[in-house]
Amino acid sequence: AQKVTQAQTEISVVEKEDVTLDCVYETRDTTYYLFWYKQPPSGELVFLIRRNSFDEQNEISGRYSWNFQKSTSSFNFTITASQVVDSAVYFCALRGGDYKLSFGAGTTVTVRA
Amino acid sequence: GAGVSQSPRYKVAKRGQDVALRCDPISGHVSLFWYQQALGQGPEFLTYFQNEAQLDKSGLPSDRFFAERPEGSVSTLKIQRTQQEDSAVYLCASTGQPGRYNEQFFGPGTRLTVL
Repeated sequence: AQKVTQAQTEISVVEKEDVTLDCVYETRDTTYYLFWYKQPPSGELVFLIRRNSFDEQNEISGRYSWNFQKSTSSFNFTITASQVVDSAVYFCALRGGDYKLSFGAGTTVTVRA
Repeated sequence: GAGVSQSPRYKVAKRGQDVALRCDPISGHVSLFWYQQALGQGPEFLTYFQNEAQLDKSGLPSDRFFAERPEGSVSTLKIQRTQQEDSAVYLCASTGQPGRYNEQFFGPGTRLTVL
């Protein structure tokens, strides 16, 4: 069984602050994929980033960066210099040997002007 | 091309009615998924198709839920004798684009309210 835990229910920040979202996962698969999705008020899930289990290199993509630590089964996501448009629910998700995604419960991010 | 589309966007049903939710995946995408998202929760897997074959339906909550994809493109999720607990957003996703195989691309969802 696969499980994704997002311990933070809500985060509220002022514009230009950095926001870090925590994600911890459980899986028995040796090969798996981790994702972050954004769900704005419109409801559509928007793909943000993907990381493969065999590549622990952390990267930065624009204002997004992520920290994948296999030893602690964590896949944290950071938004640098947050903007009001970043306000949304963010989901961490895991895909193992089958094709289905297992999602965390989501973290609601509110960025205040 | 266009993204994943779903219709209707909103559906209100009286308890006991049957409903049908449609999903048009991205053209050429082989795999199609249905998820159910309850209010304040993350999406939960319902079922998975590869072309017209339903390879996994382990997430369907009861035998009142039925999904099909007869020609390997458009899919329909049908819920018979709807109950109040079926109220949720039903999300469809597709994948299979060369070079980006692992990302699932989601539609806007159908919000079902059962009265």
